[in-house]
Amino acid sequence: AQKVTQAQTEISVVEKEDVTLDCVYETRDTTYYLFWYKQPPSGELVFLIRRNSFDEQNEISGRYSWNFQKSTSSFNFTITASQVVDSAVYFCALSEAEGRDDKIIFGKGTRLHILP
Amino acid sequence: ETGVTQSPTHLIKTRGQQVTLRCSSQSGHNTVSWYQQALGQGPQFIFQYYREEENGRGNFPPRFSGLQFPNYSSELNVNALELDDSALYLCASSLNTGVEDTQYFGPGTRLTVL
Repeated sequence: AQKVTQAQTEISVVEKEDVTLDCVYETRDTTYYLFWYKQPPSGELVFLIRRNSFDEQNEISGRYSWNFQKSTSSFNFTITASQVVDSAVYFCALSEAEGRDDKIIFGKGTRLHILP
Repeated sequence: ETGVTQSPTHLIKTRGQQVTLRCSSQSGHNTVSWYQQALGQGPQFIFQYYREEENGRGNFPPRFSGLQFPNYSSELNVNALELDDSALYLCASSLNTGVEDTQYFGPGTRLTVL
């Protein structure tokens, strides 16, 4: 069965610190997609990244970076030089590529507080 | 802004009532998915519609039903509301190409069942 685990329920850091959000996933599929979404207090899920299971290259986008390690089934997300606007709930998610639908399995989320 | 809109923003119903939530997809998207997000939890997949046909369903009872219209807008209907149905309901639209299927979410409808 597919499962996404975000062990960190809540994290608080001081502005400008770096912070890493952990994500571990389980799947029996050989082809799958991994995602990170941000959910600010407004409630809308904001898409951050989609990663194909065959693409293990790490990715950097501005202050955001993602470390995909298939050997440990992890897809961690790092925010460098955090800002107060980064405060939100972050969800890691998984979608299989071989099923009829492309439903997304979400983790329970990590609530990130960036303190000024 | 994802271009996905949902209405209403908030809704209060009583147990046993029926509710209809609406979603307008991003322009050009032919697939819509609905998720339920209880307080403090991640979203849970309810079902997905592709070109007006149900394309997959999560572990939700039949009193959760949906429709997708020719313009790809969608409705989620919930009958015989229960207290546990109180949640944020999110719809997401995507273009089902098998290559780039990223789902873009709307702002959600917060349903409270009393």
